[in-house]
Amino acid sequence: EAQVTQNPRYLITVTGKKLTVTCSQNMNHEYMSWYRQDPGLGLRQIYYSMNVEVTDKGDVPEGYKVSRKEKRNFPLILESPSPNQTSLYFCASSPQWGRALYNSPLHFGNGTRLTVT
Amino acid sequence: GENVEQHPSTLSVQEGDSAVIKCTYSDSASNYFPWYKQELGKGPQLIIDIRSNVGEKKDQRIAVTLNKTAKHFSLHITETQPEDSAVYFCAAANNFNKFYFGSGTKLNVKP
Repeated sequence: EAQVTQNPRYLITVTGKKLTVTCSQNMNHEYMSWYRQDPGLGLRQIYYSMNVEVTDKGDVPEGYKVSRKEKRNFPLILESPSPNQTSLYFCASSPQWGRALYNSPLHFGNGTRLTVT
Repeated sequence: GENVEQHPSTLSVQEGDSAVIKCTYSDSASNYFPWYKQELGKGPQLIIDIRSNVGEKKDQRIAVTLNKTAKHFSLHITETQPEDSAVYFCAAANNFNKFYFGSGTKLNVKP
């Protein structure tokens, strides 16, 4: 089944303890992206990647890191989490990027709910 | 950057009635406008989209209209059913893979 898989689904951690949220897609998609969803703010883009070893900042990158060493995986890293990073996180992928965007809708994972105390 | 505003934030309709959700955007470079439906505990799922060179698109009970001059686009759901209850997001995107999402509309269809 074609899908985007995020792990874990739920995570509770303490301030300053490094964590990684994994994202994997089995559709051979070039483009992958991370979003955070907060009440009243919709989804905001954190980072995106157009292909292996190519990443760029979205609108809210502060406090996050990403890497794209393989096409299928795009982990989100919080080196020193803080309470304001408590949120619902979504990973998404699409077949292509750039001008072909309208032929390449985003496919989302089921989300990771992170709580930082 | 782009700013997408979405209204209303909540919408309650009776089963069988129509529902309309409206979005405005600010950047004339945006050229792709998808709509996503998010059910409880799941990620958003694309339900319909429209390109900037098209004014209207329909798919069964769902339609989207786009007014480029006024920079607004709308989602229309006719003959609503309880399974249409969800959170709906509009988005605007440009050629550089930057997606900007609205704040979401929680639709409740009462049986």
